[in-house]
Amino acid sequence: GNSVTQMEGPVTLSEEAFLTINCTYTATGYPSLFWYVQYPGEGLQLLLKATKADDKGSNKGFEATYRKETTSFHLEKGSVQVSDSAVYFCALSSNQGGKLIFGQGTELSVKP
Amino acid sequence: KAGVTQTPRYLIKTRGQQVTLSCSPISGHRSVSWYQQTPGQGLQFLFEYFSETQRNKGNFPGRFSGRQFSNSRSEMNVSTLELGDSALYLCASSPTRTSGSWDEQFFGPGTRLTVL
Repeated sequence: GNSVTQMEGPVTLSEEAFLTINCTYTATGYPSLFWYVQYPGEGLQLLLKATKADDKGSNKGFEATYRKETTSFHLEKGSVQVSDSAVYFCALSSNQGGKLIFGQGTELSVKP
Repeated sequence: KAGVTQTPRYLIKTRGQQVTLSCSPISGHRSVSWYQQTPGQGLQFLFEYFSETQRNKGNFPGRFSGRQFSNSRSEMNVSTLELGDSALYLCASSPTRTSGSWDEQFFGPGTRLTVL
């Protein structure tokens, strides 16, 4: 079945460091891919998405490219800030409507 | 435009009781999905409603049920609560549900349920 695997956290970086959070997926068909972010005590916010192979999603300095050949959707940011500290979830749309399949989440902590 | 709202934000119940959680989607959104979030299992899909009909269901026991009203507001109910039902329950709404394509889901802040 469809599944998403993320790199384990927590990830601790210094401010202005480069960020990569790896995400790979297994899916039948052509799912859309998403990155969501969850700040403490809050729900999930959509960070970016890509709907087909080679699409690049971007938002707030974060980027991810839909790589069908490597079944990956890695999240990157060139220079992280303390305010980026949160839990990041990679997700894909299943072929069943209304259902997103999430990875386990990666906690990011950015130190000043 | 107001976001997805969930009530209550926090609940404490004891084993054997039942609980009802409420979700109001973004105005104009007709699809509502529910997820359970726990440290051990992560985010798991419960069910999805569209136009008052359950269109999709996850692998949860029958104690978990839901419904959707004509104004798209949704409720989920858990009967005979168990300790393992302690979790953050998240509701998400989408503007459309179209076969072959998918819109992103907009999440509410969640209801934190603690079962003692």
